[in-house]
This record gives sequence, C-alpha cells and structure tokens, in this order.
Amino acid sequence: DAKTTQPTSMDCAEGRAANLPCNHSTISGNEYVYWYRQIHSQGPQYIIHGLKNNETNEMASLIITEDRKSSTLILPHATLRDTAVYYCIVRVYTDKLIFGTGTRLQVFP
Amino acid sequence: GAVVSQHPSRVICKSGTSVKIECRSLDFQATTMFWYRQFPKKSLMLMATSNEGSKATYEQGVEKDKFLINHASLTLSTLTVTSAHPEDSSFYICSASVDELNTEAFFGQGTRLTVV
Repeated sequence: DAKTTQPTSMDCAEGRAANLPCNHSTISGNEYVYWYRQIHSQGPQYIIHGLKNNETNEMASLIITEDRKSSTLILPHATLRDTAVYYCIVRVYTDKLIFGTGTRLQVFP
Repeated sequence: GAVVSQHPSRVICKSGTSVKIECRSLDFQATTMFWYRQFPKKSLMLMATSNEGSKATYEQGVEKDKFLINHASLTLSTLTVTSAHPEDSSFYICSASVDELNTEAFFGQGTRLTVV
C-alpha cells in the first residue's frame, strides 16, 4: 500500500508557483521521498528525490519538513505543459516504486 | 536521463490470442525492470519485478501464467499476455533502474493493449 497522502486535485495559474503537498507521517529513517509525474497517456517522468535536506534541480524544488513527515514539491513557474498527475512516493533505494493516487494538477492560462 | 523504450505503443488483438510487449533500456544496462498496468483514471499498479537471468517476482494477485515475463538480457524484458481477454485491456508500462541500488527508475512510454 502507498505510504503517502496527497490532495486529489489542484489548480494553478500559468506563471505562478505550484506547491504540491504530500503527507508521509509513517516514513522510516532510510526512506527517500520521490516525486514523479505522469502526463496523460505517457509513462511517468522522474522529477526529484530527497532524504531530509531540501533539493532543487532544473525542474523543481523539494522541501522536506524537519520531522520528515511531510514534503512539498514546488514548480516555480508553472506552464500549461506541467498539467499532469503528480505522485509522491516514499521508498528505500533498493525497493520497488509503489504509486498512490497522486495529485491531478491543472495549470490554467 | 536514461531512455527506456517500449514496443509496440499500441496493439489490438483478438480474444484468446497472445501478445508480447517489449521493454528496452537503450543507453544503459538494467539488471532490474518493473512492469505496471494502469486502468483509465487510475494509478499505476505494480505487476512484477523482472530480474535478468532469473524468474520474475509477481505481486500478490497477479497471475504468473497469464502474464509471462522474460528478462533474457540486461537491456530487454518482455511481457507476454497469454490467452488475452477483454478485461486484460489496459495501459502497460515498464520501468528500469540505472543501478543495482534502484536509485532512479526510468519509464517507458507505455503500451495500450486493446483486446477485442
């Protein structure tokens, strides 16, 4: 079973920051937080992952709370092409990826 | 990032026939590949873990005789849906890891199977 809780859907205006929350209150010390997204009828795309420090790459930023029980994925300047289902997953490195229900992000003009 | 390619992207087959879906890692070797299926408006459901040179590990509730998985090389895994039925119609997706730690998994573009 998925170990994360995410809102079912969110809206964001184009050009604004999209902040997607994820709750993982039962996360273990050796579990990482991963984010993937899936654009309609395509395979999932890796976005970012982290253990306890905040992470940033060319796509997004990941903010993990100090107690690691929740995190937020930030898309700094959302575009229409960011419309997708975003999945937050917690796992140890060697484990398989188990997808939850995700958040459907709709970016509007 | 690493590239994982699936073939075919779409397939239509008749009930009772078998269909093979290929998953290739194009620019890296993958000791482990994963197969998922996805129904419309639903999340991905892990079906099995495919290990090169050994038998696949199936998730609970997945029929191993119906969904045959072969991982004969470090760049190719195949999923064969045997004796297909309309309820097998789904979106099948594979993923492959770039290292043994499974640090990061890359996904294929998916295969849309329709059984008529």
